[in-house]
Amino acid sequence: EAGVAQSPRYKIIEKRQSVAFWCNPISGHATLYWYQQILGQGPKLLIQFQNNGVVDDSQLPKDRFSAERLKGVDSTLKIQPAKLEDSAVYLCASSLRGVGADTQYFGPGTRLTVL
Amino acid sequence: AQSVTQPDIHITVSEGASLELRCNYSYGATPYLFWYVQSPGQGLQLLLKYFSGDTLVQGIKGFEAEFKRSQSSFNLRKPSVHWSDAAEYFCAVGAHGSGNTGKLIFGQGTTLQVKP
Repeated sequence: EAGVAQSPRYKIIEKRQSVAFWCNPISGHATLYWYQQILGQGPKLLIQFQNNGVVDDSQLPKDRFSAERLKGVDSTLKIQPAKLEDSAVYLCASSLRGVGADTQYFGPGTRLTVL
Repeated sequence: AQSVTQPDIHITVSEGASLELRCNYSYGATPYLFWYVQSPGQGLQLLLKYFSGDTLVQGIKGFEAEFKRSQSSFNLRKPSVHWSDAAEYFCAVGAHGSGNTGKLIFGQGTTLQVKP
């Protein structure tokens, strides 16, 4: 079974530029999560999708971050414009149903450096 | 609000020695509890999880964890550490009930270094 795929693996941009990350979840998983992991911290949920609808985006900085999951499969996360404090690893995860006992399967992440 | 505390930022143990990583959570009811491991440059891998029943949970790679409600703890243990266990370990809590969306709150992580 293929795991969660993410691209690119690394990205370096200058502040005020825009960037986009892509995620393809495990086939058949209804729920997709985007997490932000700042160096030295645990992952923090940015947004959760159930199929192509948003379940939770309470911690997404909506003035600069946006995400979509068209057709309920793969997803993109965009930052525009980027700030220095956006430097982090962006992790995508998926789970079968999106309930508390479900296991979340994580992709390898995209490491973003904002200069 | 839910929270997770991992008191030890960095732990060093000798290969073959036993290991215990601490995790304390704050939640108003019985939570779902998880331990994940993250190797450098990789995503998180689930080691084990607790959601009901036996409070001693067995996981992969020889790890186990014990849920202690009275202490609000879910400590991870391994009787004999291997060099390949060097990684970062995260404890996480999820919600039951009406807030049961699968959202996880992670601790800040514990970095494990293994000495030869």
